[in-house]
Amino acid sequence: AQSVTQLGSHVSVSEGALVLLRCNYSSSVPPYLFWYVQYPNQGLQLLLKYTSAATLVKGINGFEAEFKKSETSFHLTKPSAHMSDAAEYFCAVSEFNGGFKTIFGAGTRLFVKA
Amino acid sequence: SQTIHQWPATLVQPVGSPLSLECTVEGTSNPNLYWYRQAAGRGLQLLFYSVGIGQISSEVPQNLSASRPQDRQFILSSKKLLLSDSGFYLCAWRGPAELFFGSGTQLSVL
Repeated sequence: AQSVTQLGSHVSVSEGALVLLRCNYSSSVPPYLFWYVQYPNQGLQLLLKYTSAATLVKGINGFEAEFKKSETSFHLTKPSAHMSDAAEYFCAVSEFNGGFKTIFGAGTRLFVKA
Repeated sequence: SQTIHQWPATLVQPVGSPLSLECTVEGTSNPNLYWYRQAAGRGLQLLFYSVGIGQISSEVPQNLSASRPQDRQFILSSKKLLLSDSGFYLCAWRGPAELFFGSGTQLSVL
C-alpha cells in the first residue's frame, strides 16, 4: 500500500529565501506523485505532478519538484519565497489498486516572514 | 470545461442528527469520485471513492456512508452524527492523473 511522509509540519522562511518542503513516499508500483496547495477554508489546488515522464517537474507559481526513485523522494522547491506562498502544502501519491486511490501526507504549513 | 460543485459551504449540526452532503460534477462523464475529510491541523483522510454508479469503496469503517445515485452525483451521509465527525469535507473527481477538488464543507458537530 502506498504512503506519504512529509518531514516538518511547519516550515518558516524569510521572503526571498529558498523554499524546501520534503516528501518521501512508499509505493509498490511506479507511482504518480503530486504537490497540492491549500489556502484557508478552500479546496486543494494542484501545484505540479509527476507521471513517469521527466524527473524534474515544473509547476505553477515558480515551484518545482524532483522525483528521485533511489531516495523515494519528491521534494518541493522554490528559489525565492513570496509572502503569497504562505499556505498549507500537501504531497500525495496515487496508484491503481482496483481504482485509482490518492493518499496524502499530513501537510506542511509554510510561513513566510517579511 | 469541467467543474465540481459542493454544498453547503458551512454546516453546524447537533450530535445525533443526520447528515447529507452533496457533490456534483459537470463537463465529464463517468468520473472517479472521492470524499476526503480533513480534521483540524491534519492531512486528508480518504473516506470513500466510486468508479461508477452504485459502486462505493469504503476506506475507513466509521459512522458515515456514501452513495452515487447518478453518474455525476456523489453523496456523503450519516444517520447520527458524532462529535468526532467534525471536520472539513472535500469532494474530488479524478482527471487524467490528478484530483480536482470542490471548495469543501466545514462541518461542526456540537
